[in-house]
Amino acid sequence: SQQGEEDPQALSIQEGENATMNCSYKTSINNLQWYRQNSGRGLVHLILIRSNEREKHSGRLRVTLDTSKKSSSLLITASRAADTASYFCATDATAAGNKLTFGGGTRVLVKP
Amino acid sequence: NAGVTQTPKFQVLKTGQSMTLQCAQDMNHNSMYWYRQDPGMGLRLIYYSASEGTTDKGEVPNGYNVSRLNKREFSLRLESAAPSQTSVYFCASSMAFVGYEQYFGPGTRLTVT
Repeated sequence: SQQGEEDPQALSIQEGENATMNCSYKTSINNLQWYRQNSGRGLVHLILIRSNEREKHSGRLRVTLDTSKKSSSLLITASRAADTASYFCATDATAAGNKLTFGGGTRVLVKP
Repeated sequence: NAGVTQTPKFQVLKTGQSMTLQCAQDMNHNSMYWYRQDPGMGLRLIYYSASEGTTDKGEVPNGYNVSRLNKREFSLRLESAAPSQTSVYFCASSMAFVGYEQYFGPGTRLTVT
């Protein structure tokens, strides 16, 4: 079963625009992580946000966490063609034995 | 630093054949993981090793076995491959089992005919 579900499943934007994707989950979490996967490659960790944090930034990335709504969002500002990838959220929940549970991902296409 | 390395990159097996996927990390991480990724399914955990000397089942362990050979190496074995095991397999490692990000290898693309 997938704890985290990303929305939308796919997103197409122009270079320079912002991209926002959301992740919803079902049970209380210890932390939530976002990963990027370029086509044919392994996943790369982007940001880890803990349950007591509301917002984190890393370069052009901004992650928010709303534990009352059991949701998180990832914002990529001023997107570039190199941001074309799939983005996954993963939750660490005590109810799941602290094993990371990945969602199905959002496929982002940034058109030059 | 090579990070997490996996061999082989590609493999084609016939139904019933066996093989071992190798994984090694050079980051002195305590925890290691094996995932499979099927189209549209995200990643699913097969087995993990929270620390050297321990292994535990994940979400989809049937048909697989693992060995934590030492702190660096964690192998995944398919004893009798089935077409349902056609997938991309990823190894990952993390500093500890709880509360840390995971670092992934490049993956092994396995086809079982």
